[in-house]
Amino acid sequence: QVQLKESGPGLVQPSQTLSLTCTVSGFSLTSYHVSWVRQPPGKGLEWMGVIWTGGSTAYNSLLKSRLSISRDISKSQVFLKMNSLQTEDTATYYCARVDYSSYFDYWGQGVMVTVSS
Amino acid sequence: QITLTQQAESLWISPGERVSITCRASQSLLYTDGKHYLSWYQQRPGQTTKALIYHASVRTDGVPTRFIGSGSGTEFTLSIEHVQPEDFAIYYCLQTLKSPYTFGAGTKLELK
Repeated sequence: QVQLKESGPGLVQPSQTLSLTCTVSGFSLTSYHVSWVRQPPGKGLEWMGVIWTGGSTAYNSLLKSRLSISRDISKSQVFLKMNSLQTEDTATYYCARVDYSSYFDYWGQGVMVTVSS
Repeated sequence: QITLTQQAESLWISPGERVSITCRASQSLLYTDGKHYLSWYQQRPGQTTKALIYHASVRTDGVPTRFIGSGSGTEFTLSIEHVQPEDFAIYYCLQTLKSPYTFGAGTKLELK
């Protein structure tokens, strides 16, 4: 069945780079787009970016200068890298599959990332 | 970018009641294919985020018929008829018409 699972460090120091991995199963990254979404504690959802089936990407303009999304098709993994982290980047980070009808049909459980020294 | 406004941060209701959650877009979400690129999601503590409705009114597989999506253009509504205890959650709308995609701020259903 379709599954997405995020992994990465729970704690990152300010100004450092965050690296997260979304490992997917039950579908191919060449058939479905995958998005990243984050949610600060007690706040709403924020769309971060997407990697399309062809490998190109699109980003939230507010994060674009710091954010990079890539993938390894053979490993069924999507990667998120974001630099210059600040405390405001403390959040739960989710990856989600984008259905052909352009909605997020499957989500991972999320990984909580705290930015603190 | 397209802004989605969910006016109500919280709605207090009793089980069995009907509730409507609104989502207003800063521009039309109608694409040339005749479909609206507006979807609804439910977040419950300890559970993965669940897609309820896409293209404004199409229920995803397995979603109970008490969840009804409606609206067009810039005004959309998620209605829940005969609210059940498991429906007390946070609901978000999302537009995927144009990048950057954007979410509404969320509406929390709370027990009256």
